[in-house]
Amino acid sequence: EIVLTQSPGTLSLSPGERATLSCWASQSLTSSYLAWYQQKPGQAPRLLIYGASSRATGIPDRFSGSGSGTDFTLTISRLEPEDYAVYYCQQFGRTFGPGTKLEIK
Amino acid sequence: QVQLLQSGAEVKKPGASVKVSCKTSGYTFTTYYMHWVRQAPGQGLEWMGIINPTGGTTRYAQRFQGRVTMTRDTSTRTVYMELISLTSEDTALYYCARGGHTDYDAFDVWGQGTMVTVFS
Repeated sequence: EIVLTQSPGTLSLSPGERATLSCWASQSLTSSYLAWYQQKPGQAPRLLIYGASSRATGIPDRFSGSGSGTDFTLTISRLEPEDYAVYYCQQFGRTFGPGTKLEIK
Repeated sequence: QVQLLQSGAEVKKPGASVKVSCKTSGYTFTTYYMHWVRQAPGQGLEWMGIINPTGGTTRYAQRFQGRVTMTRDTSTRTVYMELISLTSEDTALYYCARGGHTDYDAFDVWGQGTMVTVFS
């Protein structure tokens, strides 16, 4: 079973700053099947990125995904107030990483 | 627009079973896989399993094997998730989530969640 690890557990940044979130897989993944989700309190998760680097419908271009093999990254170029949330990576439409909480500094 | 509407909150005693429904609309029901994901209070997301609405074939996460059953009704465009032998550890928010045309695709639409509380 592939295990996903996310780092950091919590990231404290100010609005306007750049956020870099990491996701590592215990085995090499086909990039087509790595996704990122955003979840705000009291809401269902929202798909941000699929196929490691493709933005889902309606996702602002300040969100970008990259990586291959076992190392993947979600970057938010300039943080907006609505971006503070928990972010999860997911592999092959199956297991999720433990999440990174992005909080306001 | 695409919508997934889940059934309401449930309160169950230990040892009981629960069946959650997810009624779909706005797309061709049989062309997208459907998944179930749960989230315990304050915890992360846990994938439970997948159902192919076309033929009804399923695949479950190993830890739920023998306790979970996913079914679908094509006439009402509804998928169901039944979990038996409930314990307090099954207290969680249960989501249905639409996958893609393959069973490995990401989940682009989610239901609102159904809270299942297990306590004696």
